[in-house]
Amino acid sequence: RKEVEQDPGPFNVPEGATVAFNCTYSNSASQSFFWYRQDCRKEPKLLMSVYSSGNEDGRFTAQLNRASQYISLLIRDSKLSDSATYLCVVNNQAGTALIFGKGTTLSVSS
Amino acid sequence: NAGVTQTPKFRVLKTGQSMTLLCAQDMNHEYMYWYRQDPGMGLRLIHYSVGEGTTAKGEVPDGYNVSRLKKQNFLLGLESAAPSQTSVYFCASRDRYNEQFFGPGTRLTVL
Repeated sequence: RKEVEQDPGPFNVPEGATVAFNCTYSNSASQSFFWYRQDCRKEPKLLMSVYSSGNEDGRFTAQLNRASQYISLLIRDSKLSDSATYLCVVNNQAGTALIFGKGTTLSVSS
Repeated sequence: NAGVTQTPKFRVLKTGQSMTLLCAQDMNHEYMYWYRQDPGMGLRLIHYSVGEGTTAKGEVPDGYNVSRLKKQNFLLGLESAAPSQTSVYFCASRDRYNEQFFGPGTRLTVL
């Protein structure tokens, strides 16, 4: 099993749609979880951290299920500007580095 | 506050040539990282450093060397470039909350 697995997509949705991305991770000892966003030919940037109780930031909601080793990202009311690749990220066993999933591509159209 | 900077932004090398990529951060972070990103492969960790004077191997270290002589700088060296090292290279530093800040990347082509 790969350390962090994501559905690569692409997800093609109209503006205003709600879309959800899922991610599974293999290391049950992982303590830190994130979603990063990467625009085409740009560097990844932090979108949001993921907390055990779940957290929300505007139109974005992240959930963590430790028992199933599963992380999700929900985007409501999609905007054209949400088009990007979303990377699921967890820390490695030693806690010294982050492991990145290959990303899920989202394309929002008008 | 420039964050993380990388030089150069682009480079074309011939097989067998050597080069050094420079990463600098002005956020006083202890941890620094070098990744490569290839289509369909995602970000893969090459080497990392948990502090000045220390380095460690990541997932794909072969063919690369690194040095962290100063806290703010992390150098990635290719001693004898190969076409398989054609990639986009990202440097990152990490704060105490585990957030990683990336540089803009270096696009390297090895002919």
